[in-house]
Amino acid sequence: KAGVTQTPRYLIKTRGQQVTLSCSPISGHRSVSWYQQTPGQGLQFLFEYFSETQRNKGNFPGRFSGRQFSNSRSEMNVSTLELGDSALYLCASSEGSTYNEQFFGPGTRLTVL
Amino acid sequence: KNEVEQSPQNLTAQEGEFITINCSYSVGISALHWLQQHPGGGIVSLFMLSSGKKKHGRLIATINIQEKHSSLHITASHPRDSAVYICAVHTDKLIFGTGTRLQVFP
Repeated sequence: KAGVTQTPRYLIKTRGQQVTLSCSPISGHRSVSWYQQTPGQGLQFLFEYFSETQRNKGNFPGRFSGRQFSNSRSEMNVSTLELGDSALYLCASSEGSTYNEQFFGPGTRLTVL
Repeated sequence: KNEVEQSPQNLTAQEGEFITINCSYSVGISALHWLQQHPGGGIVSLFMLSSGKKKHGRLIATINIQEKHSSLHITASHPRDSAVYICAVHTDKLIFGTGTRLQVFP
């Protein structure tokens, strides 16, 4: 089976712009979770989608949003980018729930200038 | 105080040494994950535990739910084990520790 894929792998944006990141889970996995990793805050949970529904959300402002499509692919959007949004964004998929083993994608490294 | 604490933050070892990384948490959990992150960012799930002990090759993970503590052991460490090891606990979401950076020298 192919692993979790994320596109793009690298992205440079300027403050105020918006960005959309994409995650394709392992075939058959219905849960997709998104995480932000920064040197200062480490790994933090953004949100989880299961069968097109947001099942859980972390403590991030409303500028961070996501969605999941019927084929389980997920997108994450960040609007009005701030310098502090520069981070590695990781998605992970699992079979039924985040309580199952999670399989991580390679991440998208976002730089906001 | 962080809900998930790892120790040590940094660890240096000689090839062949036995290594222990500790994780303590202060919240009620349904499961605990040990993750490995190599330079470049890729994360691999090593173990998911809800009780007892699991072993995979040279890696052993244990958890004590009553004491809210887990350990990751690496036997006969090797330079390819050099990575950041991250503990994460499952509440209604994953909460991550800050990681332990391990360097194993030949």
